[in-house]
Amino acid sequence: DAGVTQSPTHLIKTRGQQVTLRCSPISGHKSVSWYQQVLGQGPQFIFQYYEKEERGRGNFPDRFSARQFPNYSSELNVNALLLGDSALYLCASSSGRINYGYTFGSGTRLTVV
Amino acid sequence: QQQVKQSPQSLIVQKGGIPIINCAYENTAFDYFPWYQQFPGKGPALLIAIRPDVSEKKEGRFTISFNKSAKQFSLHIMDSQPGDSATYFCAASPARDTGKLIFGQGTTLQVKP
Repeated sequence: DAGVTQSPTHLIKTRGQQVTLRCSPISGHKSVSWYQQVLGQGPQFIFQYYEKEERGRGNFPDRFSARQFPNYSSELNVNALLLGDSALYLCASSSGRINYGYTFGSGTRLTVV
Repeated sequence: QQQVKQSPQSLIVQKGGIPIINCAYENTAFDYFPWYQQFPGKGPALLIAIRPDVSEKKEGRFTISFNKSAKQFSLHIMDSQPGDSATYFCAASPARDTGKLIFGQGTTLQVKP
């Protein structure tokens, strides 16, 4: 079975640009969450989507947005990129809204220059 | 109150040793406490998790000890191996907001042969 897949794996963007990151959950998983992991720190929660609706939002500015599609895949969008947005962006999926163990993808490494 | 504090930041043990990683939390609404293992270039992988109604849980060489009154929990790795060298994160999740995991800062473990 395929795990959580994220694309692209690496990305370099310029300050002020916009970026879209993509995530495909494990087949049958309806919940997708996004996390930001800055080098040397633990992941920080950005969003959770379940059944195509936003179910949770972390302490991130409105420049961050996301959506979930009917096939449960998800996109994370970040506008007006700042140098501080450079991080590993992780997607995690689980079968239900209740957290019985998320499976994380390998992430997208975003570098803002 | 939403923080999870993890220590030590780094740890070096000899093969066969028992590294212990500690975490503390403040929010009594947390009721799910997982531990994740992360290798360089990979996303976190769930190792073991516990709920506060039990004081200890073992899975293979990994043991979680949980002290509800002290609001502390710890990971013990029995008979550690060089392949266990990785970064370990504790996390916590509140029951009513189970899409959100709050991670500790991480502990980098090195197991010497």
